[in-house]
Amino acid sequence: NAGVTQTPKFRILKIGQSMTLQCTQDMNHNYMYWYRQDPGMGLKLIYYSVGAGITDKGEVPNGYNVSRSTTEDFPLRLELAAPSQTSVYFCASSLLTGFSNQPQHFGDGTRLSIL
Amino acid sequence: QQQVKQSPQSLIVQKGGISIINCAYENTAFDYFPWYQQFPGKGPALLIAIRPDVSEKKEGRFTISFNKSAKQFSLHIMDSQPGDSATYFCAASRETSGSRLTFGEGTQLTVNP
Repeated sequence: NAGVTQTPKFRILKIGQSMTLQCTQDMNHNYMYWYRQDPGMGLKLIYYSVGAGITDKGEVPNGYNVSRSTTEDFPLRLELAAPSQTSVYFCASSLLTGFSNQPQHFGDGTRLSIL
Repeated sequence: QQQVKQSPQSLIVQKGGISIINCAYENTAFDYFPWYQQFPGKGPALLIAIRPDVSEKKEGRFTISFNKSAKQFSLHIMDSQPGDSATYFCAASRETSGSRLTFGEGTQLTVNP
């Protein structure tokens, strides 16, 4: 049981390039999330998904896109990389049963630098 | 805006001491308050959580104290150990929003041996 797996672990991009951050989970969780973590800023929600085919914006969605074609996978797309997108990106998943909050399980992050 | 304010930004404690991290929230609709622990190079992991129907929850050396009227909650780490050195995040959510969490800014805890 691997939990939440993110790839790549590190990446350097040039301004204007595009890339996809991959996230997969093997816990059959219905909810999945993408966060970015900047020093002293905590974690900010970029996008989330409540199930396959359903996505919604979080707090900081500009410059990003997501898709959720399967329960397991939730890739994050950067179309035109900008220096402001230099950050550590975390994917997480949780199982929502009724209205009971369940813990979010995080991957180990992708460290992205845009130069 | 649904904000959660966390303090201090960093904390240094001697081994065996008590670590205290505080959080304050604005949205009275929040009804779930977890704390996450993050080690360098790793993602955050749930440490302990509380709901507003209780004022305190204890799990081993970790205790959450909750003050609903003041809209504040805090994490106490008793008998702090060097292995507790990590970044701690408080968070809050509304059950009706599913598991969407609003995180505090984080506290970097260092426990000196």
